[in-house]
This record gives sequence, C-alpha cells and structure tokens, in this order.
Amino acid sequence: KAGVTQTPRYLIKTRGQQVTLSCSPISGHRSVSWYQQTPGQGLQFLFEYFSETQRNKGNFPGRFSGRQFSNSRSEMNVSTLELGDSALYLCASSEGDHYNEQFFGPGTRLTVL
Amino acid sequence: AQTVTQSQPEMSVQEAETVTLSCTYDTSENNYYLFWYKQPPSRQMILVIRQEAYKQQNATENRFSVNFQKAAKSFSLKISDSQLGDTAMYFCAFMKRNAGGTSYGKLTFGQGTILTVHP
Repeated sequence: KAGVTQTPRYLIKTRGQQVTLSCSPISGHRSVSWYQQTPGQGLQFLFEYFSETQRNKGNFPGRFSGRQFSNSRSEMNVSTLELGDSALYLCASSEGDHYNEQFFGPGTRLTVL
Repeated sequence: AQTVTQSQPEMSVQEAETVTLSCTYDTSENNYYLFWYKQPPSRQMILVIRQEAYKQQNATENRFSVNFQKAAKSFSLKISDSQLGDTAMYFCAFMKRNAGGTSYGKLTFGQGTILTVHP
C-alpha cells in the first residue's frame, strides 16, 4: 500500500494570506489527524477527522480549520497567516474504528514571511 | 488534560551499546496508550513501540523495550545494541482510550530527545 502523502511538501506564504494543505491517507484508512510541529512548541494536535466528521479538536484558534472528503482525503486551511504559523504540518492516518496505529506523512513545511 | 515530559533534550551512545530514554506523564485517565515514536532526519515519523496501560507486561519489539511504571507514571525506552540508523529524534506520546476502545486520534507528545549513535 502507498503511504500517507502530503502536498505540497514546501510552501512559502506572506502574512495575511491563507493556505490549504492536503493529506491523502493510506487506502482504507478513515481517520486523519493533523499536527503542528515547531521548535518552540513541539508537536501539537490540531484536529482529527473520521468519516468526514471532526471528532476531536486541539487548542488552536479558529483560523485553523479542516475538512475531510468522502474518499478520506483531508485538507487543512489556515487563514490570515501569522509569522508564528511557520511550522512543519504533519498528518497521520489510521483505520479509525478503535485504536489503530497512526501512520504519518512526510509533512508540509510552511514558511510565513 | 495530559502532559508528557521528556527531561533529556539530547543523548548520545556508542554503536552496539545500550541507551535508555526517559519519559514521565501526568494524567487522571485510567485507560490509555503510551508510545515511542522515532523521527529520523528525513522527518517521517515512525512508531517504535506501544504500551497499553491495562497491561502490566512491558512491551518489547526486537531491540526496543519499555519500562512501564503506571503508578509512577513513567515510561522509559531502552534501545539495545544501538545502530547508526537509530539516530533520530524520539518522542514519547500519550493517547486516551475512550470507552468502547476508541481513541479519537489525539496524540499528546513530549518535547523529544535527540539521540545520536556514534560509530
């Protein structure tokens, strides 16, 4: 099976812009989780989607949003970008019904200038 | 809310030797999972080992084993016969287990330990 893919891998934006990141889970996986990784804050959970529904959400402002499509692909959107949004954004997929291992993608490196 | 603490920002070990990475956590939950993840310089996060809190037996995966002390809320990782490919950032992580066995995809990570294996 192909692994978790994330596009784009690298992105440069300026303050005030918005950005959309995409995550394609492993075939058959219905859960997608998103994490933000920064040197200062470490790895922080953003949200989790399962069968197109957000089941869990972390402590991020409303500028961070996401969605999941019927094919389980997920997107996350960040509006009104701030310098502090510069980070590696990781998504992870799992089967999702009960505990299942989360498989991580390579991440999208977002730089906000 | 849960917190995970890794008190060793960096560790180093000689090839073929054994190293132990420390992790403590704080939670009021009784049912949960604990994990060690590895993030090599290429950035792809990989699961190393998993422990279910209701199991007293420590998990083992080949050269990797854990020392799980539930009462002390301690979860250390031992890497035996270290190899150059073990060089990576290691994260300890916590996941709550909901009633019915579900877990809604939220991992709480520690700050990580950079492990360098020297030849």
